[in-house]
Amino acid sequence: QQQVKQSPQSLIVQKGGISIINCAYENTAFDYFPWYQQFPGKGPALLIAIRPDVSEKKEGRFTISFNKSAKQFSLHIMDSQPGDSATYFCAASNDNYGQNFVFGPGTRLSVLP
Amino acid sequence: DSGVTQTPKHLITATGQRVTLRCSPRSGDLSVYWYQQSLDQGLQFLIQYYNGEERAKGNILERFSAQQFPDLHSELNLSSLELGDSALYFCASSVTEYNEQFFGPGTRLTVL
Repeated sequence: QQQVKQSPQSLIVQKGGISIINCAYENTAFDYFPWYQQFPGKGPALLIAIRPDVSEKKEGRFTISFNKSAKQFSLHIMDSQPGDSATYFCAASNDNYGQNFVFGPGTRLSVLP
Repeated sequence: DSGVTQTPKHLITATGQRVTLRCSPRSGDLSVYWYQQSLDQGLQFLIQYYNGEERAKGNILERFSAQQFPDLHSELNLSSLELGDSALYFCASSVTEYNEQFFGPGTRLTVL
């Protein structure tokens, strides 16, 4: 019940295209859903996060869509750029646990020039 | 640069040995988290400290232990090392237990 599933495992997108990564969770107690971006040799960095009281959050080219009833959330990267090539992790936590994240397995995104 | 520092950057050791990984959180951050990232297990939460006290434990083996010192830096001790302990170990810090986590650059541990 603590697992967060993520798909696809890898994704190849042309420059200017839309990248979509999906995550699903089981634990309805989760109330914070961040996305992390990790470049090779670096630690993960927070990209964008959402709480269940909203269905969508947009920051620049990055949008999180959240479906509470389906227990799913997704990351959309609009106008994908080669510099977006990285591994993306979704995660989930509950404030009552502190921010002890359960991470998805990651999606390796490659944006072709 | 997140402001979280980790040393050493790389560590190569043999099975059965013991190592200590060090983490200095961002200035002002009271909470420290340790994560293990391996190819087959992904990113796994190990343990969290807040202002010197253990707050939560995740998938941390009994051979592993950690502590947070009065100056708020933290150390992760790994003992009786096995080949399967080879991984990237990340430290993260946050202002409180409920704020954004900032990750350090990681320590790559190789057990031969």
